[in-house]
Amino acid sequence: SQTIHQWPATLVQPVGSPLSLECTVEGTSNPNLYWYRQAAGRGLQLLFYSVGIGQISSEVPQNLSASRPQDRQFILSSKKLLLSDSGFYLCASEDGLAGAGEQFFGPGTRLTVL
Amino acid sequence: GESVGLHLPTLSVQEGDNSIINCAYSNSASDYFIWYKQESGKGPQFIIDIRSNMDKRQGQRVTVLLNKTVKHLSLQIAATQPGDSAVYFCAESGGGSYIPTFGRGTSLIVHP
Repeated sequence: SQTIHQWPATLVQPVGSPLSLECTVEGTSNPNLYWYRQAAGRGLQLLFYSVGIGQISSEVPQNLSASRPQDRQFILSSKKLLLSDSGFYLCASEDGLAGAGEQFFGPGTRLTVL
Repeated sequence: GESVGLHLPTLSVQEGDNSIINCAYSNSASDYFIWYKQESGKGPQFIIDIRSNMDKRQGQRVTVLLNKTVKHLSLQIAATQPGDSAVYFCAESGGGSYIPTFGRGTSLIVHP
C-alpha cells in the first residue's frame, strides 16, 4: 500500500503571508495526486488534482495554487493567505494505472490563518 | 460541491448495537464506490469498496450494500464499538471520470 507524508502537521499563519504545504508519496509510481480542504465538521472539498508531473487541474478558483515538481511530490501554495483559507488540508494518492480506485490519505495539515 | 458547506449529520448508537450509515449518490454511471472512516484530526482511511456488478460485500464487521436502482449505498457496522466513533464518507467514481465524488459524511458517535 501507499504511504502519504504531509508537513507540517499544524501551521498558524498571519493573513497575507505565503503558504507552502508539501506532500510526498511512497509505495507507488505515477500516482494521481489530490489536494482537499476540509472545514471543521464539514465534508471534503477537492482543490486540485494531478495525473502527472507538471499537470495540475484546479477544481475551485481561489488564491491557492498547486505544483507537482516530481512524480511523488505535490505542493500546495499561496502567495497571500486569507482568513477563509483556514482548514484541514489533506493530500491523497491513487494508483494512476488503476484509474478510479482507493485513495490513500495523508495525516493532514491543520492551517489556521489569523 | 454544495454538500461540503453543510454540517455533518450525526448517528448516535450504544456500544454493541448495529449501525447503518446511508449515502445517496448522484451519478447513475458511477461504477465504483468506497467507504472511508475519518477519525478526529486524521486523514480518511479506506474501509471497504464495492463495484457496480455487486450489490453486497462483506468485510470484518462491516457490510456495504449497493442499490443501483435508487442510487443508494449503505454501510452496516456490526456490534459497534467506541473505536468506531468517527466520520464516515462514501465516495463514487467511474462512469468516465476517475475523479471521486465524496458524500457529505456522517458522524457516528458510539456511547459506551
